[in-house]
Formats: sequence, structure tokens, C-alpha cells
Amino acid sequence: GNSVTQMEGPVTLSEEAFLTINCTYTATGYPSLFWYVQYPGEGLQLLLKATKADDKGSNKGFEATYRKETTSFHLEKGSVQVSDSAVYFCALSVKAAGNKLTFGGGTRVLVKP
Amino acid sequence: ETGVTQSPTHLIKTRGQQVTLRCSSQSGHNTVSWYQQALGQGPQFIFQYYREEENGRGNFPPRFSGLQFPNYSSELNVNALELDDSALYLCASSSDRGRPTDTQYFGPGTRLTVL
Repeated sequence: GNSVTQMEGPVTLSEEAFLTINCTYTATGYPSLFWYVQYPGEGLQLLLKATKADDKGSNKGFEATYRKETTSFHLEKGSVQVSDSAVYFCALSVKAAGNKLTFGGGTRVLVKP
Repeated sequence: ETGVTQSPTHLIKTRGQQVTLRCSSQSGHNTVSWYQQALGQGPQFIFQYYREEENGRGNFPPRFSGLQFPNYSSELNVNALELDDSALYLCASSSDRGRPTDTQYFGPGTRLTVL
């Protein structure tokens, strides 16, 4: 089956620190990979995506590279801000399941000033 | 462009009751998916509707049912509510039912509490 594993949080950082959230996946078929972010009290927003191996998704200073050889899609940001405090979800979809998303458990990030 | 909207925002029910949640898809989108997000967990896929037909279902019992209307808005119905049904219910819309590369756009969710 399909599954996504994320590092457990919470991750607590100081402003301007470097952020990495690990994500690995198992998929039947060739997945598309996504990072979604959920701010307190809100729904999910797409942060970035990559649809084939070696693609790099980027948005708002966040980056993630689709690594097929290690089945990973780690999220990084070079300098976090307090406003980046949120829960981050890694997700995948595969052709056999249409665009149904399989999510990881989420990683809570808290950035302190 | 209007985003995905959901109603109500919050809902409190008692065990055994029935509930209906509503979702309006983003303009131009014909596919709606529903997810259940328990506290502290990632969302779990319930089912998807494409042009008024169910197009895939996750591991949820038949008391979870849905509907999609000609304007592509959708309802999620849950019968015989159980305590474990307490969760945030998320609706997502997209423009094509079958392409895994397509982005799904999520609404703010409905927080259901079952007492």
C-alpha cells in the first residue's frame, strides 16, 4: 500500500534558524509528492509539490527535492520566521488512486522570536 | 476566484445522531474529496465525487455517505454518530478526477464534536 512517514514533532526553532522536516514514502506506482501547511484553526494550504524524480518544488523560501532513490521528499527552509509556525504535512498521490492524497502524520513547527 | 467553503464551522452532536456537512467547490472545479482529520493526526481520505458520481472510497463504513450536486457542491452525511467520529472534516476540490499531479484545494474544515 501507500504510506508517508514524517519526523515527529514538535520542532522548536529560533527565528532565522534552518529548518528540515524529513519525509519518506512507500508507494505502489510512481507518486506525485506534496507538502501542505496548516496554520492554527485553518484548513490545509498547498506549500509545494513535485511530480517526477529530481524535481524541486519551491515556494515562500521552502524547498523539497523528489528523491526516488531514497524515496524521500524532505522539506527545508534556510531562515524561518515566527509566521512559519504551523503543522506541515507530507503527502503523495498515485495514478491508480486518482488524485486521492495519502498524508503523513504531520510535524508541528514552533518558531520563537 | 472563490475558494472552497464549508459549513458549518463547528458542530456538536450526541452519539447516535446524524449529521450533514456541506462544501462548495472552487470555481471551475468538478471534483470534490472529503477527508477526516482526527486531533493530532494527518487527514484520512473518506471518498471522492466527480460529476455527481462516487469516484473512490477510503476505509470508512457505509454510514459515511456523500452526494454531489450539478453545481459540484457536495455533502457528507454521517449516520449513527460515534464518539470516534469527532474530528475536523475537510473538503478539497480539484479540476480533474484522475490526475495525481493535480493540486487539491482545501476548505477551512468543519469541526465535529460527538458527545
